[in-house]
Amino acid sequence: GAGVSQSPSNKVTEKGKDVELRCDPISGHTALYWYRQSLGQGLEFLIYFQGNSAPDKSGLPSDRFSAERTGGSVSTLTIQRTQQEDSAVYLCASSRGREETQYFGPGTRLLVL
Amino acid sequence: SQQGEEDPQALSIQEGENATMNCSYKTSINNLQWYRQNSGRGLVHLILIRSNEREKHSGRLRVTLDTSKKSSSLLITASRAADTASYFCATDRSGRDDKIIFGKGTRLHILP
Repeated sequence: GAGVSQSPSNKVTEKGKDVELRCDPISGHTALYWYRQSLGQGLEFLIYFQGNSAPDKSGLPSDRFSAERTGGSVSTLTIQRTQQEDSAVYLCASSRGREETQYFGPGTRLLVL
Repeated sequence: SQQGEEDPQALSIQEGENATMNCSYKTSINNLQWYRQNSGRGLVHLILIRSNEREKHSGRLRVTLDTSKKSSSLLITASRAADTASYFCATDRSGRDDKIIFGKGTRLHILP
């Protein structure tokens, strides 16, 4: 079946511009996660959505980062006033629920010039 | 701070040999997962082992979990060139929250 999809696959933007990254989770998965992977680094948790509960935003690095999940399905991660240090691969994952296997999308590679 | 820490950071072995990677973590967990990431690709889930399990097999993969030592190992037997990738362990934290925390990974290179 269809896996997690993300768009765009690559995004180049200028410093100071806003960007939106999209994630389509696996149908029926109630949990959705955003992670960031900077070059040579491990995966960094950003934000977690579970059903209709308030999201866990504890991993967002600054208030320039926000995310929403509409209708319990598609999620958008928005980065405002991008900085060069925001350059990374942004990965989305979904799972059937708590403590279940997370399935990852291919990621969006963001480059801020 | 990192919950899962893999070691070694990098490993090069000859094709056909076995590769062993270790992961240590800090807090109590519900489960531990191993993922593979090929260069430039997304993460692929390999195996999940729950805190009440000690060993699990999947094909050429064998994972062990020692909750008393807060450590896990991933063994890949009879390695192949296609096994060249980065391997990450990820843990959730029981009773804390629902997110999982990844280590920085082990870069495995299989030499022909």
